[in-house]
Amino acid sequence: RKEVEQDPGPFNVPEGATVAFNCTYSNSASQSFFWYRQDCRKEPKLLMSVYSSGNEDGRFTAQLNRASQYISLLIRDSKLSDSATYLCVVNKGNQGGKLIFGQGTELSVKP
Amino acid sequence: DTAVSQTPKYLVTQMGNDKSIKCEQNLGHDTMYWYKQDSKKFLKIMFSYNNKELIINETVPNRFSPKSPDKAHLNLHINSLELGDSAVYFCASSQLYGRSQVHEQFFGPGTRLTVL
Repeated sequence: RKEVEQDPGPFNVPEGATVAFNCTYSNSASQSFFWYRQDCRKEPKLLMSVYSSGNEDGRFTAQLNRASQYISLLIRDSKLSDSATYLCVVNKGNQGGKLIFGQGTELSVKP
Repeated sequence: DTAVSQTPKYLVTQMGNDKSIKCEQNLGHDTMYWYKQDSKKFLKIMFSYNNKELIINETVPNRFSPKSPDKAHLNLHINSLELGDSAVYFCASSQLYGRSQVHEQFFGPGTRLTVL
């Protein structure tokens, strides 16, 4: 079983749609959680950290459920520029900053 | 100013050759990383250095040897290149310790290695 699992997609949605991505992680000792975004042929960039209380940044909302070992990302009012691969990332916290990446979920927003 | 830079951006070489990739960060971070992203897009950590000291060494063939001359530089040397080494190699940095700790890892633009 992979340490971080995501549905690879692709998710094809029209502009303005709301889309949700889910991710599960296997190690209950994981301490930090993130969503990174990777554009085609570019490097990953941090989209947002994920906190137990849930957090929102504009059109993006991230949720963490430690009991279920489940992380989600909700994108409201999708824009064409949201098209990218969204990477669920987990940090075990005691391994020198080691990040475990999910395979990524590909999102394509169409006009 | 580029925060994390890598050279070269593209590298095409024959099997059996030896090659190096260089990485530099100007963010003042104490920790640098090498990741490999294969054709299936999985990003996997290979190595990490904190202040020139190796702190993460994943199960990577010993043909891969990282070197950190100072905390702003982390190079990757690969001996006897194989077809399966073809991938995108990303360097990253973060501030792991201290008051200015930042968990976010900043990635370089990647080096696309193709082994023929």
